[in-house]
Amino acid sequence: EAQVTQNPRYLITVTGKKLTVTCSQNMNHEYMSWYRQDPGLGLRQIYYSMNVEVTDKGDVPEGYKVSRKEKRNFPLILESPSPNQTSLYFCASSLSGQGWAEAFFGQGTRLTVV
Amino acid sequence: SQQGEEDPQALSIQEGENATMNCSYKTSINNLQWYRQNSGRGLVHLILIRSNEREKHSGRLRVTLDTSKKSSSLLITASRAADTASYFCATGGNNRLAFGKGNQVVVIP
Repeated sequence: EAQVTQNPRYLITVTGKKLTVTCSQNMNHEYMSWYRQDPGLGLRQIYYSMNVEVTDKGDVPEGYKVSRKEKRNFPLILESPSPNQTSLYFCASSLSGQGWAEAFFGQGTRLTVV
Repeated sequence: SQQGEEDPQALSIQEGENATMNCSYKTSINNLQWYRQNSGRGLVHLILIRSNEREKHSGRLRVTLDTSKKSSSLLITASRAADTASYFCATGGNNRLAFGKGNQVVVIP
């Protein structure tokens, strides 16, 4: 079954404690991206990756890091989380970042930073 | 910056009625897609319309695209309670897929 898997689904952490949200896809997609969703703001792109070792900033990259060492995995790293990073995070993958192919989304990670 | 932006509406309709929502964008696009999100879950792709298409159908969904006005609409006909969700448009181009703020639709049984 084609899917994007994010872990964990829920996470409560304290300010400053480094964390990683994992994302894995089994569709051999080249394009992967991370979004955060906040009430009234819709989905905002954090980072995206066109292929292995190729990443670029989205709209709201501050406070986040990513890496793409393997095609299937695209982890999101928060080196020093702050309360304003409390949000619902989604990983997505697609055949293309140009929008001619549908994006597949993970089930989301609800992060609370206290 | 986000390109797709839905009219910030929260629609509440009776089952069986049609639901229409709109999306406008600011720059040239390759394609426009619509997604559905059920209650904080992952988004699910509904339909894609290319920039050289004006209208597209998929089951009870009808999407129109007006590139001269930089706008799109999604029509759901004969709505069902299961259509209760948030609907997002997304525009593709420049290595990005940019989403709008979403439109919440509640279908009352």
